[in-house]
Order: sequence, then C-alpha cells, then structure tokens
Amino acid sequence: DTGVSQDPRHKITKRGQNVTFRCDPISEHNRLYWYRQTLGQGPEFLTYFQNEAQLEKSRLLSDRFSAERPKGSFSTLEIQRTEQGDSAMYLCASSLRGTGALGSGNTIYFGEGSWLTVV
Amino acid sequence: RKEVEQDPGPFNVPEGATVAFNCTYSNSASQSFFWYRQDCRKEPKLLMSVYSSGNEDGRFTAQLNRASQYISLLIRDSKLSDSATYLCVVYGQNFVFGPGTRLSVLP
Repeated sequence: DTGVSQDPRHKITKRGQNVTFRCDPISEHNRLYWYRQTLGQGPEFLTYFQNEAQLEKSRLLSDRFSAERPKGSFSTLEIQRTEQGDSAMYLCASSLRGTGALGSGNTIYFGEGSWLTVV
Repeated sequence: RKEVEQDPGPFNVPEGATVAFNCTYSNSASQSFFWYRQDCRKEPKLLMSVYSSGNEDGRFTAQLNRASQYISLLIRDSKLSDSATYLCVVYGQNFVFGPGTRLSVLP
C-alpha cells in the first residue's frame, strides 16, 4: 500500500499520560500535514512540514503538542499531559510541493486517522 | 467569521433527487478549491477539484465564483451510496476545511 499510513489507529489513554502518533506519508510527497477532527466538525489544521522544516503551526497547537519530521520522511505528533478535550481523530495528510495551484489538480491525501480517547 | 462556511445540513433527499451544496470562503487570496467526501468515521477523500470555469465529473458538477467567494457542488440523480459528509476545502497558504454538510439519500 503506497498511501499515507498512520499508527496506532486507536489509542485509549488516561488523562495526564503522553501519547505519540506516527505518520508515514506517500513516498514522493515532501509536504506533510497534521489535522485534528472532532465529531460533527471538519478537520482543523494543526501544523505542516515541508521536508524536515515545520513551516506553520496553528494556534490550536498548544505547548503540550509537538510535531517532528526529523529526516523529512515520517512524522510524529506527541501530546503531553493529555486532557479529555484532546479526544479526537488525528489525521495526517501529504502532498507534493507546489500543490494547490489552481488547475493543478494536486491536493492532499489523508491517512485513515488515529483515534484518541482520553479517559 | 470562520474562514470556510458551508450549509449546516443535514440534507435528507430521496434517491434520484438533485441536491446542491454551498460554500463561502473569506480569504480572497485563496488559490485552489476542492470538494472532499467523508464517510462516517473514515478519512476525507478527494471528490473533485473546482476549476475557474466550473467542471463536471459524471453526476457531480462544481462551480466557483471568485467575485462572490462562493463554491458549489451539485449532485444529480443521487444514489444511496452518495450518503456522506461533503467538505468544502480552500487552499491559500494551507488547506482549510469547512465544517461539512451531511447528506442522507433515502430509498
């Protein structure tokens, strides 16, 4: 399978614990995005990387959240001291640089998501 | 005001009906526009890109009005399998998703 893969798919954790999610993008894609989605809402942007550089972070990404993409390939999203409000689906997506130009047809492709439940 | 807004829904329509979804965006510098489909508890998947002159893909037609900052999606002859949430997506500096409009096609 050459799509975006995420691991783990489901995680249940106790409040206050740390969790880490991993994302492996489509191999030729150099941009990688993290989104968060709660029930009844659209995906909310968290951050994105171009190669290993983190180019943008949302205000939603509090200091308990950190994302890395050390070698420009896979990425990790860590949440420290989890809270019940962190319960959501965390989606990773990837794209080619230059994606988004009108008419290019290029866009982002998502993994299946990592479901987090904080109890 | 949210950056991307959509009809609140849900839309419940009979099979064979034509249904239209509307989307507005606030960033006039946005470059590209897309419609994604999301099934329950699944990831969003690209349905179609939206081009300046409008475009059609089978039963689906997308329109863009840059002056009004408005995007639409028309589904003709709706099928039971069209039941899903439809997400409007706008690309400026990154991809911004609307809240989605849920469609249920009823037998």
